[in-house]
Amino acid sequence: NAGVTQTPKFQVLKTGQSMTLQCAQDMNHEYMSWYRQDPGMGLRLIHYSVGAGITDQGEVPNGYNVSRSTTEDFPLRLLSAAPSQTSVYFCASSYTQGAGFYGYTFGSGTRLTVV
Amino acid sequence: RKEVEQDPGPFNVPEGATVAFNCTYSNSASQSFFWYRQDCRKEPKLLMSVYSSGNEDGRFTAQLNRASQYISLLIRDSKLSDSATYLCVVTVNTGFQKLVFGTGTRLLVSP
Repeated sequence: NAGVTQTPKFQVLKTGQSMTLQCAQDMNHEYMSWYRQDPGMGLRLIHYSVGAGITDQGEVPNGYNVSRSTTEDFPLRLLSAAPSQTSVYFCASSYTQGAGFYGYTFGSGTRLTVV
Repeated sequence: RKEVEQDPGPFNVPEGATVAFNCTYSNSASQSFFWYRQDCRKEPKLLMSVYSSGNEDGRFTAQLNRASQYISLLIRDSKLSDSATYLCVVTVNTGFQKLVFGTGTRLLVSP
């Protein structure tokens, strides 16, 4: 199993450009989420999905869109890149068992620089 | 106030030393507790879950004090390979089990 696969690993964008960060998982997890990690701050939740067709906002959603058309894929779209979006982005998937959530698995990350 | 607070370190220790990290969290509704390990420029990886009764995994011991909202991690007999950043993580269930991360404590183990 590949687990959680993120592409690209590195990206440089100019201010105002748009792009999509790809995330795919092959574990049949129903939950997927996007986090960003900035120096001096913990990982922060951008958007999440509890299943195909269902998405919701996390704590820092502005400037990002997501969709979940399949269980496997959860792309993150930057609509108009800004320097404040320079960060490392991690996609994660997890599953439920009873009342608990388990199996939080992270992708290897995408390092994005906006100039 | 940050939801999860950790001493950023770095903690510099020699091989074989015992080192302890602490973490406090502010949301009393937090449900689950974890320590993650993150190597430089890599993704976080689950080190261990933390239970009120305390739990041990080899050289690692974790403890949770719900009354004080305090979590600890003890590493015995430190190895060079233990050098990493240790993230204290709690979950808050808002219909989705959101992970709330501390900023991490950096550990450097030297020969």
